[in-house]
Amino acid sequence: AQSVTQLGSHVSVSEGALVLLRCNYSSSVPPYLFWYVQYPNQGLQLLLKYTSAATLVKGINGFEAEFKKSETSFHLTKPSAHMSDAAEYFCAVSGRGYSTLTFGKGTMLLVSP
Amino acid sequence: ETGVTQTPRHLVMGMTNKKSLKCEQHLGHNAMYWYKQSAKKPLELMFVYNFKEQTENNSVPSRFSPECPNSSHLFLHLHTLQPEDSALYLCASSQEISGVHEQFFGPGTRLTVL
Repeated sequence: AQSVTQLGSHVSVSEGALVLLRCNYSSSVPPYLFWYVQYPNQGLQLLLKYTSAATLVKGINGFEAEFKKSETSFHLTKPSAHMSDAAEYFCAVSGRGYSTLTFGKGTMLLVSP
Repeated sequence: ETGVTQTPRHLVMGMTNKKSLKCEQHLGHNAMYWYKQSAKKPLELMFVYNFKEQTENNSVPSRFSPECPNSSHLFLHLHTLQPEDSALYLCASSQEISGVHEQFFGPGTRLTVL
């Protein structure tokens, strides 16, 4: 069984500030982990993924995430927020050979000028 | 067309209507998915097709009926829906590479049931 917990349904930051979106997972198999972003009225777009190679994963738009097995975490960060980062972010977990993803409830990122 | 496309983008229907949602993937993938996204709820996986065969049905009511005629097309047939079925319906596709299924999503169909 797999599950994902995203702490905070909303996170607010100022433009230029650090972005930190939290994700903790539970998995009975070695996990594969994903972060997706969803802009209003659009589908989900993959930001980055962890598939058991490097624990620090770099994605698009300056985002990165670090897999920490001891903490069962995969938090998403960006050093400096832009207004265009305002969107909803979803963390998801899967496993080797599993075609299905289990998603968290999502975190809405709000960026103020 | 590239990626995953969905039509229509918006749909309003009454509870007695019958309508269909269409999804097409142009990525050469062999797995396709339907998800339901409601406000304040996690994404709910509805159906999974691998090589046109349904491999997962997450206790979805029979008023939702999927159809996968080939590995590029996926339909969701709707009939006698309820207002609580109003949601964004997302289609996705994937191809296993080294054990990883990275899913690519379409833009969704916003469904409103009156």
